[in-house]
Amino acid sequence: AQKITQTQPGMFVQEKEAVTLDCTYDTSDQSYGLFWYKQPSSGEMIFLIYQGSYDEQNATEGRYSLNFQKARKSANLVISASQLGDSAMYFCAMREVLTQGGSEKLVFGKGTKLTVNP
Amino acid sequence: DAGVIQSPRHEVTEMGQEVTLRCKPISGHDYLFWYRQTMMRGLELLIYFNNNVPIDDSGMPEDRFSAKMPNASFSTLKIQPSEPRDSAVYFCASSLDRRSPLHFGNGTRLTVT
Repeated sequence: AQKITQTQPGMFVQEKEAVTLDCTYDTSDQSYGLFWYKQPSSGEMIFLIYQGSYDEQNATEGRYSLNFQKARKSANLVISASQLGDSAMYFCAMREVLTQGGSEKLVFGKGTKLTVNP
Repeated sequence: DAGVIQSPRHEVTEMGQEVTLRCKPISGHDYLFWYRQTMMRGLELLIYFNNNVPIDDSGMPEDRFSAKMPNASFSTLKIQPSEPRDSAVYFCASSLDRRSPLHFGNGTRLTVT
């Protein structure tokens, strides 16, 4: 079963506008972490932002914020004031912090390709 | 810190040859992960280690793939014999603990002809 779902294969946004990239997840665990990574055309994976399942406030890192809705199991990434350099693939990922002896791997979604237009 | 270091950056080899990919994690990180990325399958976890011990290798495609972590500062992923369908970008990543984000290396682009 798909653990992480990113329903938008591609998104377009005008420079200086805000954009929301969707991510829904599936877990029965109470303790987990949600991450967003950026992969520009050069190929490296860049960590952007983290949200813990017990964090009461939405995470923010500069122009990035995470709209965390636990009941809906969604963790959307909001990029404010888009820049041309934001054009890249964006991956949502989940790490389940399972009980002792369980697997703690990070599972990635299929990604969303964001294009920022001038 | 230099970050996660992978070598080589690019590898081109012929089918049937042995390929060894190398990774140096960030010092002090307890977890090390090997991922493979292809257009068709996205990012797939192959194997991960905790304190140098393999924890989950369920993602390793078949017996041709093997991974080792002889010490806290070095890991290898070996493919023997290699096949064209192994062509992909292989990422190594490390994390401080079970709740921390993964930090990725720049990847090794493997082409098997």
